[in-house]
Amino acid sequence: EAGVVQSPRYKIIEKKQPVAFWCNPISGHNTLYWYRQNLGQGPELLIRYENEEAVDDSQLPKDRFSAERLKGVDSTLKIQPAELGDSAVYLCASSLVTGNYEQYFGPGTRLTVT
Amino acid sequence: AQTVTQSQPEMSVQEAETVTLSCTYDTSENNYYLFWYKQPPSRQMILVIRQEAYKQQNATENRFSVNFQKAAKSFSLKISDSQLGDTAMYFCAFMKHRTSGSRLTFGEGTQLTVNP
Repeated sequence: EAGVVQSPRYKIIEKKQPVAFWCNPISGHNTLYWYRQNLGQGPELLIRYENEEAVDDSQLPKDRFSAERLKGVDSTLKIQPAELGDSAVYLCASSLVTGNYEQYFGPGTRLTVT
Repeated sequence: AQTVTQSQPEMSVQEAETVTLSCTYDTSENNYYLFWYKQPPSRQMILVIRQEAYKQQNATENRFSVNFQKAAKSFSLKISDSQLGDTAMYFCAFMKHRTSGSRLTFGEGTQLTVNP
């Protein structure tokens, strides 16, 4: 069984530029999460999807961040424009909706904003 | 809101010895889950062990076991017979029961180094 796939693994951009991250969850997993992990800290949830619906986006900075999961499978997280403080690792995770609370994480995308 | 605290930023242990990582949490919930995740330099977050709050018995997975003290809101991880491959950042995490949402709240992490 393939795990959670994320791309790219690394991204370096200049501030004010846009950037996008892609995630493909484990097949059959209805719930998808985007977390941000700052250096030396634990991950923090940005947004959670149940199928194509964003059910928890309370910590997503909506002025510059957006996300979509149009068909309820893969997802894209976008930042526009990027700021220096956005440098972090962006982790995607997935889980089954019912009967399973375990979240499976992808390898993450390390973003550096210069 | 829930908070998770790991008071040991770094720890080291000799290979084959036992080490315990500490975690405390704060919540008003009665039903919840607790987890320990391992994050090696590859950044892949890997689940080590989980504990359901309603279970009194401490969870065990091979060399990994927990000491869950619900009243004290403490959830420590014991690694026995430490191996070089155990070197990683370890995160304690909390999740409310699924009927209340499934956000993971992580602690700050403990960097564990296993020395040969």
